[in-house]
Amino acid sequence: EAQVTQNPRYLITVTGKKLTVTCSQNMNHEYMSWYRQDPGLGLRQIYYSMNVEVTDKGDVPEGYKVSRKEKRNFPLILESPSPNQTSLYFCASSLFPSQAGYGYTFGSGTRLTVV
Amino acid sequence: GQQVMQIPQYQHVQEGEDFTTYCNSSTTLSNIQWYKQRPGGHPVFLIQLVKSGEVKKQKRLTFQFGEAKKNSSLHITATQTTDVGTYFCAGRPDSSYKLIFGSGTRLLVRP
Repeated sequence: EAQVTQNPRYLITVTGKKLTVTCSQNMNHEYMSWYRQDPGLGLRQIYYSMNVEVTDKGDVPEGYKVSRKEKRNFPLILESPSPNQTSLYFCASSLFPSQAGYGYTFGSGTRLTVV
Repeated sequence: GQQVMQIPQYQHVQEGEDFTTYCNSSTTLSNIQWYKQRPGGHPVFLIQLVKSGEVKKQKRLTFQFGEAKKNSSLHITATQTTDVGTYFCAGRPDSSYKLIFGSGTRLLVRP
């Protein structure tokens, strides 16, 4: 089944404790992206990657890191989480965005709480 | 910066009534996509519009892309309880790889 797999689904952590949220897709998509979703603010892009070893900042990159060493994986790293990073996080992938008709496939989400 | 505004934020309708959500972009878009997110779920791609003035239908859902390619709408005819969720538009500005999401319209349907 074609899908984007995120882990964990739920995470409660303490301020300052480094964490990684994993994202993996099995569709051979070039493009991958991370979003955070907060009430009333919709989906805001954190980082995106157009291919292996190519990553770039989205609209809200502060406090986050990413890497794209393999085409299928795009982990999101919070080196020193803070309470304002409490949110619902989604990973998404697609064929290269310039190809008309291809939308994003989203993972099931990771609900992160930083206390 | 580039923005995609979406209204209304919420809409509560009686089952059988129609529903419309609107998106407006501050810049011309090369295409616009629509997604649906069920409560507790993740966004699911519905459709993409590319051409100026394009209209596409999926059963009771009608999607339009404005002539100037700066606005779009989603209209649902005769809503059902299965339509409940948040509908997002997402526009890709000309000469950009970025997809900018609207803030979403949350649809509630009274049975």
